[in-house]
Amino acid sequence: AQKVTQAQTEISVVEKEDVTLDCVYETRDTTYYLFWYKQPPSGELVFLIRRNSFDEQNEISGRYSWNFQKSTSSFNFTITASQVVDSAVYFCALSGTNTGNQFYFGTGTSLTVIP
Amino acid sequence: DTGVSQDPRHKITKRGQNVTFRCDPISEHNRLYWYRQTLGQGPEFLTYFQNEAQLEKSRLLSDRFSAERPKGSFSTLEIQRTEQGDSAMYLCASSLARGANRGAEAFFGQGTRLTVV
Repeated sequence: AQKVTQAQTEISVVEKEDVTLDCVYETRDTTYYLFWYKQPPSGELVFLIRRNSFDEQNEISGRYSWNFQKSTSSFNFTITASQVVDSAVYFCALSGTNTGNQFYFGTGTSLTVIP
Repeated sequence: DTGVSQDPRHKITKRGQNVTFRCDPISEHNRLYWYRQTLGQGPEFLTYFQNEAQLEKSRLLSDRFSAERPKGSFSTLEIQRTEQGDSAMYLCASSLARGANRGAEAFFGQGTRLTVV
């Protein structure tokens, strides 16, 4: 079965602190894709990153970085020097080529950055 | 603007009425998805199209729900005999998935918020 678990329901940090959002996944697919989306208060889901299962390189984009570890089935997301504009709900998602092409989403982590 | 467009943005309807939502995907995207999201939850898959073919439907999609994508362009989602439990945000997304890029990311519209009273 395909499953994404985001154990952190809500996180609050003070501006400029670093924060890591956890994502653990389960899949039977040998080839799969992992994603992070941001949902600000306006409601629209904004794509942040895609990672293929055969590419375990970590990625950094500005203040954002992602740590993909197949050995622990995790795809964690770190925001460095958080800003108030980072306040949003963040969703981790999974899709697999052999179990349909739908996206399986976690329940999301609500991040509040306090000024 | 070339993003995913959904119409209407908000819909209030009385229980038992039929409603129809429209989604215009990003031009040339071959996949189109419908998701439903309730408060505090992640999006739940409803159905998806590869071009005009509806390839997968969730068990959540009861026989009161139907979706179409004529000519592989825009899509409509119809809910017949609405119930209060249908109140949710209905999200549409599209992606360009082909060849080696089968796991392409999906881009979401702003959603249609349905309230059944």
